[in-house]
Amino acid sequence: QVQLQESGPGLVKPSETLSLTCTVSGGSISTYYWTWIRQPPGKGLEWIGYIYDTGSTNYNPSLKSRVTISVNRTKNQFSLKLNSVTAADTAVYYCARDGDTVGLFGYWGQGILVTVSS
Amino acid sequence: DIQMTQSPSSLSASVGDRVTITCRASQVISNWLTWYQQKPGQAPKSLIYAASNLQSGVPSRFSGSGSGTDFTLTISSLQPEDLATYYCQQYNSYPLTFGGGTKVEIK
Repeated sequence: QVQLQESGPGLVKPSETLSLTCTVSGGSISTYYWTWIRQPPGKGLEWIGYIYDTGSTNYNPSLKSRVTISVNRTKNQFSLKLNSVTAADTAVYYCARDGDTVGLFGYWGQGILVTVSS
Repeated sequence: DIQMTQSPSSLSASVGDRVTITCRASQVISNWLTWYQQKPGQAPKSLIYAASNLQSGVPSRFSGSGSGTDFTLTISSLQPEDLATYYCQQYNSYPLTFGGGTKVEIK
């Protein structure tokens, strides 16, 4: 059974870079679309973007200028970097993977709360 | 981007009640729609895929319908464990987008 686990700092200062890692266990990081999704406290879900097995990426246009998603196959991990953060980037960040259907998320991490504050 | 509009944003119902949540897409998405259930403090869990297909292991009191732009999630007989927020999500095109959520409370 595939499991995903987010890790990284829970507090980031404004204007700095948010960096998170998702460790995948129970399966290879090859194939599938490895995705980041976020949820501001008390609000809805926002798709951030994905990295595919080939290394190709696709980002939400609303965040595209600030986002980078990368993969480390030797560690079975993928990562999110979001630069120039503001308080509006405070959210629970989830890593996720599609199941049998691309774009439909069957596997999720537990989520990690990242607060942007000085 | 495809906008997904859910209604109502919240509802309160009694155990055993029939509950209906609607989701409207700003453009045609065929049946590329899933419904998620998110319980407090947990990640979302997919209940329905392709608008009307029940995910394995999901109770049969959950059902989905619709195609094109208008979709519905129905809970035929609300149970205490259904306390959650429900989200629709389209996977017709990128960027993937979610509805604003419907919080279901038990009276």
